[in-house]
Amino acid sequence: DQQVKQNSPSLSVQEGRISILNCDYTNSMFDYFLWYKKYPAEGPTFLISISSIKDKNEDGRFTVFLNKSAKHLSLHIVPSQPGDSAVYFCAASARYGGSQGNLIFGKGTKLSVKP
Amino acid sequence: NAGVMQNPRHLVRRRGQEARLRCSPMKGHSHVYWYRQLPEEGLKFMVYLQKENIIDESGMPKERFSAEFPKEGPSILRIQQVVRGDSAAYFCASSPVGTANTDTQYFGPGTRLTVL
Repeated sequence: DQQVKQNSPSLSVQEGRISILNCDYTNSMFDYFLWYKKYPAEGPTFLISISSIKDKNEDGRFTVFLNKSAKHLSLHIVPSQPGDSAVYFCAASARYGGSQGNLIFGKGTKLSVKP
Repeated sequence: NAGVMQNPRHLVRRRGQEARLRCSPMKGHSHVYWYRQLPEEGLKFMVYLQKENIIDESGMPKERFSAEFPKEGPSILRIQQVVRGDSAAYFCASSPVGTANTDTQYFGPGTRLTVL
C-alpha cells in the first residue's frame, strides 16, 4: 500500500516556463514533507521541505504548497531551466507518530526541461 | 567534501557471498539511515541508527541483513548470502542532532550492488 504517491511518472516542460510536480499522501500522521532531486547514478539531493503547520514554503525558484485537507502537496519550479532535468521524489515523515523519522518516498517524477 | 560518503560505489558479488556497504555521515551528524532503491521504484526505508544503537529496523528483511553504527568508524550495512533479488542501489543518509533541521536527511551517492 503506497502511502506517498506521485502519479505522473514523467513531465516535460519548456525552458522558462513553470514546472508543477504533484504528490498525494494517505497517512494523516505525516507532518513533514520533503522534495529531493536525483540525477542518474547519484544520491538524492535535498531541495525544500515543509512542515504541516504551514501551507507554503519558498526558496528561490522552488516553492512547495501543502493542502492538508486534500492530502496533497506540489512543487513549483519557476522559471524552469535545463539543469532542472532530473527525477524528483516526494517524501514524508510522521515525526510524532512513531515512525522515528524515517522517510516514506514516492516513486518519483522524471522532469525534462527542453531548451 | 563534507557530504555523506559511501563506499564502495559499485559492488559485484556472486550468489552466496557477503556484501558490506559503508557509510560515513556528514560531520556533526549522529543519525544514520539506510534506504534501498529497486529499479523504477522509490527509496524504501531499511534501518535508522544512532551511535551504537539501532533505533528503528522495521524496514530490514528479517534474515541475512544487519546494520551497525559503532562508536568509531562508519556505519556498516551487511548482507549475508546474497541473492539476485538483493541487487539494488543502497543509499545512506544522515541528519544532525539538536537542531531545527533534525528531520532533513542528506544522502550519500549510493552503492550499487549487483549479484551475479
